[in-house]
Amino acid sequence: QVQLVQSEGEVRQPGSSVKVSCKTSGDSFSDLIITWLRQAPGQGFEWMGRIAPIIGIPTYAQTFQGRLTISVDKSTNTGYMELDSLTSDDTAMYYCANSHDYNWLDPWGQGTQVIVSS
Amino acid sequence: NFMLTQPHSVSESPGKTVTISCTRSGGSIADTYVNWYQQRPASAPKAVIYEDNQRPSGVPHRFSGSIDSSSNSASLTIAGLQTEDEALYYCQSYENTRLIFGGGTKLTVL
Repeated sequence: QVQLVQSEGEVRQPGSSVKVSCKTSGDSFSDLIITWLRQAPGQGFEWMGRIAPIIGIPTYAQTFQGRLTISVDKSTNTGYMELDSLTSDDTAMYYCANSHDYNWLDPWGQGTQVIVSS
Repeated sequence: NFMLTQPHSVSESPGKTVTISCTRSGGSIADTYVNWYQQRPASAPKAVIYEDNQRPSGVPHRFSGSIDSSSNSASLTIAGLQTEDEALYYCQSYENTRLIFGGGTKLTVL
């Protein structure tokens, strides 16, 4: 059974970047499809993008095109999400999750709180 | 593009049965699978139904899912409600590569 453990919360200034990690264990890293989502305070979920380590080419939501980078490190079985040009609207809980058949998500990481504030 | 609409909140008593709806606007509910997630306070979401009506391992049989083409909606039914079922529930589907979520329904077990 795969487990996903995310990095600790971050506070960033507007205009800066943040990089969140998602370390996996328990299943073959190549079998996973690591998906990134976020949940703003009191809001629902927003899909950001995904990457299948076996392919290595990410897919991004159009909303984030140009300032989002999703990557993997096969040597450490870890996925990464880096978001640039942060604004206060990017304040949210960020989650990684394993996607089954590009469809449903299970399990999820515990979440990483990102606060953007001057 | 389509949207998924859920009621903002539902409430029911322990031991009763509750149904949460998820209505698709744009396209047929049967076009793509619907999945359901439970999110307890300050916790990550957990899948409780996938592919319309399948239960992930470890999810009690009290949880069931269905779709209804006549109302173009999916439903999550929880029987024998327990206080631990009090949570936010989200439906989710997909379009091409994009995942689409409903706005969430707060279930209160009175």
